[in-house]
Amino acid sequence: RKEVEQDPGPFNVPEGATVAFNCTYSNSASQSFFWYRQDCRKEPKLLMSVYSSGNEDGRFTAQLNRASQYISLLIRDSKLSDSATYLCVVIIDQFYFGTGTSLTVIP
Amino acid sequence: DGGITQSPKYLFRKEGQNVTLSCEQNLNHDAMYWYRQDPGQGLRLIYYSQIVNDFQKGDIAEGYSVSREKKESFPLTVTSAQKNPTAFYLCASSSGLALGTQYFGPGTRLLVL
Repeated sequence: RKEVEQDPGPFNVPEGATVAFNCTYSNSASQSFFWYRQDCRKEPKLLMSVYSSGNEDGRFTAQLNRASQYISLLIRDSKLSDSATYLCVVIIDQFYFGTGTSLTVIP
Repeated sequence: DGGITQSPKYLFRKEGQNVTLSCEQNLNHDAMYWYRQDPGQGLRLIYYSQIVNDFQKGDIAEGYSVSREKKESFPLTVTSAQKNPTAFYLCASSSGLALGTQYFGPGTRLLVL
């Protein structure tokens, strides 16, 4: 069983749309949670950490639900530049990466 | 500027050849990692190092070797025993093992001739 599961997508949304991704984790001892963004043929880069109380950074909102063991990422007012693969990361004894969710924002 | 560098950006390997991928960081991080990414797939951990002169196998260590003689450096050798080496190789570091945030280098794309 994988530690982290993500819907691979692809998600194709029009500019200005709101889109949400979920990521489930299997180990209740998971300590820390992150969302990374990976552009095509580039390295993953930290998008934001995920806190229990939920956190927002501009158009991006991340939430953690410990009871149901999932984290979410909400992107409002999608831009063309948001097109990328979004990876969720969970720390237990190691960094565990989801396989990523592909997003394409269409003009 | 602090960060992680990897070289080369592209590397070509002939059959039976060992090749070494370089990874250097100036973030003063104790932990370093090597991942392999195949097209359309997630990251798979090859090796990691918690501290100088110590390293551990990850999920797919067969056919690879590493060293950690300096805190800043964690080179990966892809040996001839690795039968399917074509992939995107990513080096990362964090302040401690499973601690803080992981930062990635720009990656090395390895191709087999």
